[in-house]
Amino acid sequence: AAGVIQSPRHLIKEKRETATLKCYPIPRHDTVYWYQQGPGQDPQFLISFYEKMQSDKGSIPDRFSAQQFSDYHSELNMSSLELGDSALYFCASSLGPHAPSYNEQFFGPGTRLTVL
Amino acid sequence: GQQLNQSPQSMFIQEGEDVSMNCTSSSIFNTWLWYKQEPGEGPVLLIALYKAGELTSNGRLTAQFGITRKDSFLNISASIPSDVGIYFCAGLYNTDKLIFGTGTRLQVFP
Repeated sequence: AAGVIQSPRHLIKEKRETATLKCYPIPRHDTVYWYQQGPGQDPQFLISFYEKMQSDKGSIPDRFSAQQFSDYHSELNMSSLELGDSALYFCASSLGPHAPSYNEQFFGPGTRLTVL
Repeated sequence: GQQLNQSPQSMFIQEGEDVSMNCTSSSIFNTWLWYKQEPGEGPVLLIALYKAGELTSNGRLTAQFGITRKDSFLNISASIPSDVGIYFCAGLYNTDKLIFGTGTRLQVFP
C-alpha cells in the first residue's frame, strides 16, 4: 500500500541557512501533521493542516512555517537554522475529521536534518 | 512537553516469550494509539483504540484502552526477532496533537 513520502531523506545545512522539507500524504488523506524527534526522544507535534488550513499548532518555532497545497502535499520551511534544529522531522497523514479513523496518523520515513 | 509515562523503559527477552508494556497518564484521552519505531525510520501504527475498555488485536499484538481512559496496555505474544524496536504509546484528546509515551525499547534474543 502507498505510504507517506517525504523528501529529502537527508539534509545537511549550515547555521543560519534555510531548509524546505516536503511531504506527500497517502492518497485520499487530506490532513497532514509535522513532528520533530530529537535523538533518543519521542516525536513532538509541530503543526497540522486540513484542507489547506492550519488545523492545530504545537511547539513550532516562529522561524518555521508550513503550508498545505491544493494537492494536499505539505512543505515545512525552516529559516535561520540553529544547531538545535538537528533532528528527524516526520510528516504524518490521516483521513479528514469526517472519517471514523481520523485519529489514525500514519507516519512517513522522515527527513534527517543536520545543522553544522 | 507533556509526556505519557510508559513502562518498562526497556526489555530484553528470549524469542518465544510474551511481552507486556503499559502507558499511564494523569489526563484522560479519547484515543490511544500504539506505534513501533525502528532506528532511523518513522513510527508504524500498530493498533488504534477508541473506547474505554476496548480490547483490540492485530496478529500477535493485543492492546487495551483502560477503563479510566488514563491508561493503555500492549501485549505481544510469542515474540520473534523482528519484534525488536521501540514501542510508543500515544494519546489524543480533542486535538491533532499526539502525545507520545517515553517508549519501550524491546530486544529479542534468539
